[in-house]
Amino acid sequence: AQSVAQPEDQVNVAEGNPLTVKCTYSVSGNPYLFWYVQYPNRGLQFLLKYITGDNLVKGSYGFEAEFNKSQTSFHLKKPSALVSDSALYFCAVRDGANNLFFGTGTRLTVIP
Amino acid sequence: DAGVIQSPRHEVTEMGQEVTLRCKPISGHNSLFWYRQTMMRGLELLIYFNNNVPIDDSGMPEDRFSAKMPNASFSTLKIQPSEPRDSAVYFCASSLDFGRSYEQYFGPGTRLTVT
Repeated sequence: AQSVAQPEDQVNVAEGNPLTVKCTYSVSGNPYLFWYVQYPNRGLQFLLKYITGDNLVKGSYGFEAEFNKSQTSFHLKKPSALVSDSALYFCAVRDGANNLFFGTGTRLTVIP
Repeated sequence: DAGVIQSPRHEVTEMGQEVTLRCKPISGHNSLFWYRQTMMRGLELLIYFNNNVPIDDSGMPEDRFSAKMPNASFSTLKIQPSEPRDSAVYFCASSLDFGRSYEQYFGPGTRLTVT
């Protein structure tokens, strides 16, 4: 079955520490991968995407993600977390047939 | 650009009433998506359009739900009759095109409460 998994419902990290939000996928064909962020009472905002090329993708607000084909992962990272990064993060993938799958979301809390 | 515009932002209605949610996509975007978000089920894709044509409505929960896109700048999602289990936040999103490399831009959502 094709899907996206975000294994952690909640991630807590201290301000200034590096953060990682995990995402793995299972799709047919080459995956096109996306990260979105949702702040309270807002719609999702696009952060970054991997289409092809360099496995390390840089996006908005200092976030980056690394595509790992062998591990079928696309983890979101940031070297130094800010309190304002606290939000709900969604991983999404489009498969070879252009079907779209969203993960269940990971709530990131950055502790001052 | 103003981004994706949705109205109303909040809707409270009684069971059995008709509800119409509205969306104006970003100008120049060819694809439009309707989603529903709840705590229990997360984010669900209901239907999407490309060039005003519905491409896949397999996510529409039942016949009480219908969506239209009469032109490139306007879409509606209608629930008739509404039920309490329809209570959710409904998002509209648009993208430049339907190709899978294109990211989506989401509106602020409509919070629907059916009592």
